[in-house]
Parts: sequence; C-alpha cells; structure tokens
Amino acid sequence: AQSVTQLDSQVPVFEEAPVELRCNYSSSVSVYLFWYVQYPNQGLQLLLKYLSGSTLVKGINGFEAEFNKSQTSFHLRKPSVHISDTAEYFCAVSPNAGNNRKLIWGLGTSLAVNP
Amino acid sequence: EPEVTQTPSHQVTQMGQEVILRCVPISNHLYFYWYRQILGQKVEFLVSFYNNEISEKSEIFDDQFSVERPDGSNFTLKIRSTKLEDSAMYFCASSDKSAGRHEQYFGPGTRLTVT
Repeated sequence: AQSVTQLDSQVPVFEEAPVELRCNYSSSVSVYLFWYVQYPNQGLQLLLKYLSGSTLVKGINGFEAEFNKSQTSFHLRKPSVHISDTAEYFCAVSPNAGNNRKLIWGLGTSLAVNP
Repeated sequence: EPEVTQTPSHQVTQMGQEVILRCVPISNHLYFYWYRQILGQKVEFLVSFYNNEISEKSEIFDDQFSVERPDGSNFTLKIRSTKLEDSAMYFCASSDKSAGRHEQYFGPGTRLTVT
C-alpha cells in the first residue's frame, strides 16, 4: 500500500520569492511520483512527473522537483513565484508495475502568493 | 489540445435519488478513472476501467456505484441511491496505452451536493 504526506497545508509567500512544497511518501513497491496543480474552480493539471532516470525533473510554469529515494521525498520548488501560481498543489504516487495505475494523493498544499 | 470534459459541473440531488455523472475522455485514450474529493479531504481513487471492464475498485466503490462506457465516447459514473456522504467533487481521468500511460488527464470535475 502507498501513502502520501504533504507536510504543509498552507504556504504563504511573497511574489518573486522562492518556494518549496514538501512531499513524502511511503510504499512497499516502487512508484512513480507526480505533482498536480488545481487553480481555483478548475480541474487537476499535471505539473511534472518522475518515472525514472534523472532525479531532478522539470515541469511547466518553472517548477521542478527532486526525487530522493533514501528520504522517500519528492519536494516541489520554484525559484521565483508569481501571483498566478496561487493554487492548490497535490503530490501523488502510483505503483510502477502492474496494470492498475491508480493515483494515491496527498492532502494538498495551498500556495498563496502575495504581492 | 484535447481535454477531458465532464457534465454537469454542479449537480444537486436529494438523498436516495439516482445520479449519473458524465465524462468524455480524450478520444484515443483507453484507460479511464473516477476519483472523488470530499471537501477538505484527500482526493480518493474510486475505480479504474479498461477494455470495457473494471480493472480495480476501491472500498468506497460499493454496490451503489457503477460505471459504464455506453457508446465508445462517454464514460459514466452512476450512484443508485445517493447518501449525504456522497457529496463531493468527482473527477474523471483518462490515459493512453503509450509510455505516457502514467499520465492521467483530468476533467474539471462535477460537484455533487446531496441534500
């Protein structure tokens, strides 16, 4: 079984400041890792994913994340945030073998970018 | 760019009534999913569907729930007799058979309110 913990429920930050949203996971099998973003009144959009290879993955809108297997973490970072980055961010994992690729989700982190 | 669509955006129903939530996945996708998010809680996997049958379902997906792909384009979630605790945002997702199968594309969601 898998579980995902997002350590911060809310992260307030000023515009142009760097931000890190933390995600830790637990799994008895190897997993793929994902970050999704949900803007107000919209659906879930994939920001980035880690499947294999380089542990540093780059996504859309200037976000990146680093997979750390020993710490079972997949923290999301952006060096300089914009007001438009205000949204809910979800970390998710899925087993990387078998036919069932259901996503297991964290509780989400609400990023509020202030001017 | 192709996208997953869901209708209605908001459904209000009385307890005990049947509801059907509709989804149109991306046209060349073969794997379909339903998730739900109760307000303030995690996004939860409900069911996955492939080759005209359920491939996995969660404990939540009891006999009150069913899914169907009636015409090769729509993918529906039916709740036979709604309960107050079924109030949630329901998300449909789809993915294809290529290496990108790991990426699930989400619709904007249907907010179900049971009164």
